[in-house]
Amino acid sequence: EAQVTQNPRYLITVTGKKLTVTCSQNMNHEYMSWYRQDPGLGLRQIYYSMNVEVTDKGDVPEGYKVSRKEKRNFPLILESPSPNQTSLYFCASSLDLDYTQYFGPGTRLTVL
Amino acid sequence: SQQGEEDPQALSIQEGENATMNCSYKTSINNLQWYRQNSGRGLVHLILIRSNEREKHSGRLRVTLDTSKKSSSLLITASRAADTASYFCATDGAQKLVFGQGTRLTINP
Repeated sequence: EAQVTQNPRYLITVTGKKLTVTCSQNMNHEYMSWYRQDPGLGLRQIYYSMNVEVTDKGDVPEGYKVSRKEKRNFPLILESPSPNQTSLYFCASSLDLDYTQYFGPGTRLTVL
Repeated sequence: SQQGEEDPQALSIQEGENATMNCSYKTSINNLQWYRQNSGRGLVHLILIRSNEREKHSGRLRVTLDTSKKSSSLLITASRAADTASYFCATDGAQKLVFGQGTRLTINP
């Protein structure tokens, strides 16, 4: 089944404790991206990747890192999480930017 | 920066009625997409319309695109309770897809 998976789905952590949210797709997609969704602000892109080893900043990259060492995986790293990073995070992938994006189920992160 | 903006922000109608949502954007596009999101879940792609298309249908969905006005509309006909969700338009910006803030649609039985 074609899908985008994210782990964990729910995470409660404390300020400053490094964490990684994994994202994996099985559709051989080249384009992958991370979004955060906050009430009243809609979806905002954090980082995106056009292909392996090619990543770039989205609209709200501060406090986040990503890597794209393999085509299927695109982890989101929070080196030192802060409460303002409490949000619902989505990973998405597509063949290319002009194509349908497939979204993961989301990761609800709470930073205390 | 937001490219697409949906209107209205919220819409509540009776089951069986038609629902129309609008999206306006600022810069030229190659295509525009509509997505649906059920509460707290991932977005699901509904339809993609390219800049050289004016109208597209998919089941009970009808999407129009007016590039001269930089606007698009999504029409859901014969609404059902299961259509209750948030609907987002997305436009292709510079190397990225930019989403609007969405229209929250509620279908009342």
